[in-house]
Amino acid sequence: GQNIDQPTEMTATEGAIVQINCTYQTSGFNGLFWYQQHAGEAPTFLSYNVLDGLEEKGRFSSFLSRSKGYSYLLLKELQMKDSASYLCAVMDSNYQLIWGAGTKLIIKP
Amino acid sequence: KAGVTQTPRYLIKTRGQQVTLSCSPISGHRSVSWYQQTPGQGLQFLFEYFSETQRNKGNFPGRFSGRQFSNSRSEMNVSTLELGDSALYLCASSSTGTGISEQFFGPGTRLTVL
Repeated sequence: GQNIDQPTEMTATEGAIVQINCTYQTSGFNGLFWYQQHAGEAPTFLSYNVLDGLEEKGRFSSFLSRSKGYSYLLLKELQMKDSASYLCAVMDSNYQLIWGAGTKLIIKP
Repeated sequence: KAGVTQTPRYLIKTRGQQVTLSCSPISGHRSVSWYQQTPGQGLQFLFEYFSETQRNKGNFPGRFSGRQFSNSRSEMNVSTLELGDSALYLCASSSTGTGISEQFFGPGTRLTVL
């Protein structure tokens, strides 16, 4: 079967750095997405990785290792507004998105 | 450009009833996907429509069905509602036919089944 694993919840301090991991086992691979979802709101796109390596976008970076079935989202200089759930999703060989359950990130002052 | 809209935003039904949810994608987007979101389960893929054709389907019973109209608006129907159908139903639109593009989500319809 297809499976995406991410930690259920993480806590970090304002101004610090946090890394949210995602491991996956899917039928084929056409890229990995990260989305942010604030409570009560719709998910919004953060990043897309299809090649190995690190993609940096401002305070957010996303890393992919296809051989290890592994990705992480790195958030720097954390702000209170970063408190949200972070969803990892992999596009399989049928171009269907398989979603993880999400990681709830709690930022403390 | 207007975002993805979903109606209604909230719905309360009783077991055995049926419900129809509506989604209007971003103008020019031809792909619409539907998801069910429940606490702890994450997003579960229901189906995807592209140019009025169902292109992909998740592992949901036949009580869940959908369609897409020529203007790309989509509807999802759930018949014979069960308590376990209580969830947030999200639709997302994207512009490309292959699906390898950012998905834009609507605000969702929160369905409560009593």
